[in-house]
Amino acid sequence: SQTIHQWPATLVQPVGSPLSLECTVEGTSNPNLYWYRQAAGRGLQLLFYSVGIGQISSEVPQNLSASRPQDRQFILSSKKLLLSDSGFYLCAWTLKGTKGELFFGEGSRLTVL
Amino acid sequence: QQPVQSPQAVILREGEDAVINCSSSKALYSVHWYRQKHGEAPVFLMILLKGGEQKGHEKISASFNEKKQQSSLYLTASQLSYSGTYFCGTESGSNYKLTFGKGTLLTVNP
Repeated sequence: SQTIHQWPATLVQPVGSPLSLECTVEGTSNPNLYWYRQAAGRGLQLLFYSVGIGQISSEVPQNLSASRPQDRQFILSSKKLLLSDSGFYLCAWTLKGTKGELFFGEGSRLTVL
Repeated sequence: QQPVQSPQAVILREGEDAVINCSSSKALYSVHWYRQKHGEAPVFLMILLKGGEQKGHEKISASFNEKKQQSSLYLTASQLSYSGTYFCGTESGSNYKLTFGKGTLLTVNP
C-alpha cells in the first residue's frame, strides 16, 4: 500500500534562517507531488506541484522553492525565512491518469519567530 | 482562482442537516471535497467530474452543476464525527492542479 511521510512534524525557526521540509512517497511510482500551505483564514494554498523529476511548477511568487531530486521525494526550501512563512505545510500526492484523491502527509507546522 | 465556499461556518445539533456550497468563476473539470479535523491532514470525501453527476456515500452526498460552475455538499442526519473543516477543491482543466476554497467550519453538538 502507498504511504506518504513528511518531516519534521514541527519546527520553530528564527527569521532569516534556512528551511528544508522533506516529503517521501512509498508504494507507488511517478506520482504527481504537491506542496500546500495552510495559514489562518486562507484555506489550503497550492505552492508548488511536480509531474516528474526536476519538473516544478510554482503557483505563488514567494520566498520558497521546491525540488524533486528523486521520483518519490519532494523538498520545500527557503534560504531566508520570513515571519509570513509561518503555517502548516502539507505535502500530497496523486496518481497520474486518474481523477482520484489527493493523499496528504501528516503536515509540518512551521513557526517563524 | 480560488473557489468561494459558503457558509464560512455552521453549527448543528446532532441529527440536523447541512449544505455547503462551492462556486467558481472558471469553467470546472472536476470538484473534490475533503474534510479536515483540527491539527490533522485533510481526508478525501469524494470527487465529481463534469457532467452534472451526483455522488454520495452513507449520509454525505454532493452534486456538481457544470453550467453554473457550482458544487454542493449535503450532510444529512449529522453525527458528532462530522465536525471539522470542509474544503472544496476545483480543477479547471485536466492538469492535476487542485485549487481549494477557504473552507467551511462545521461543528456538530450533542
